[in-house]
Amino acid sequence: KAGVTQTPRYLIKTRGQQVTLSCSPISGHRSVSWYQQTPGQGLQFLFEYFSETQRNKGNFPGRFSGRQFSNSRSEMNVSTLELGDSALYLCASRPGTTQETQYFGPGTRLLVL
Amino acid sequence: GESVGLHLPTLSVQEGDNSIINCAYSNSASDYFIWYKQESGKGPQFIIDIRSNMDKRQGQRVTVLLNKTVKHLSLQIAATQPGDSAVYFCAENRNSYGKLTFGQGTILTVHP
Repeated sequence: KAGVTQTPRYLIKTRGQQVTLSCSPISGHRSVSWYQQTPGQGLQFLFEYFSETQRNKGNFPGRFSGRQFSNSRSEMNVSTLELGDSALYLCASRPGTTQETQYFGPGTRLLVL
Repeated sequence: GESVGLHLPTLSVQEGDNSIINCAYSNSASDYFIWYKQESGKGPQFIIDIRSNMDKRQGQRVTVLLNKTVKHLSLQIAATQPGDSAVYFCAENRNSYGKLTFGQGTILTVHP
């Protein structure tokens, strides 16, 4: 099976802009979770989607949002970008019905100037 | 707040040695634990997991130990190889939903 894929791999944006990142889960996985990784804060949970519904949410401002499509692909959006949003954004997928291992994609590196 | 923390931020070993990476967690309700390896420029890679009804689990060259009494988790890597050099994270999950809480990570460097 193909692994989790994320596009784009790298992005450069300026403050105030908005950005959309995409994640395609492993085939058959219905749960997609998003994480932000920074040197200062480490890996932090953003949100999880399962069957097109947000099932869990981390402590991030409302500028961070996401959605999931019927084919389980997910997107996350960050509006009004701030310098502090520069990070590696990771998504992870799992089947989603029980407590299972999450498998991560390679991430999208976002730089906000 | 509740968190999963690592005792040692860096660990240097010689090739062939055994490595032990430690992790402390604060929430006794945590019932699922995972170790990930992250190499530069890549996403975290699953190594091994353990549920709270177990105290030991073995994989290929890796063993995870769970001590619920002191809320401690460790990853043992046997015969460490240069390819094992990476950042290792422990993560915990408290329910069936997807939120993982990660430790800060330990940098493992293996010298040939």
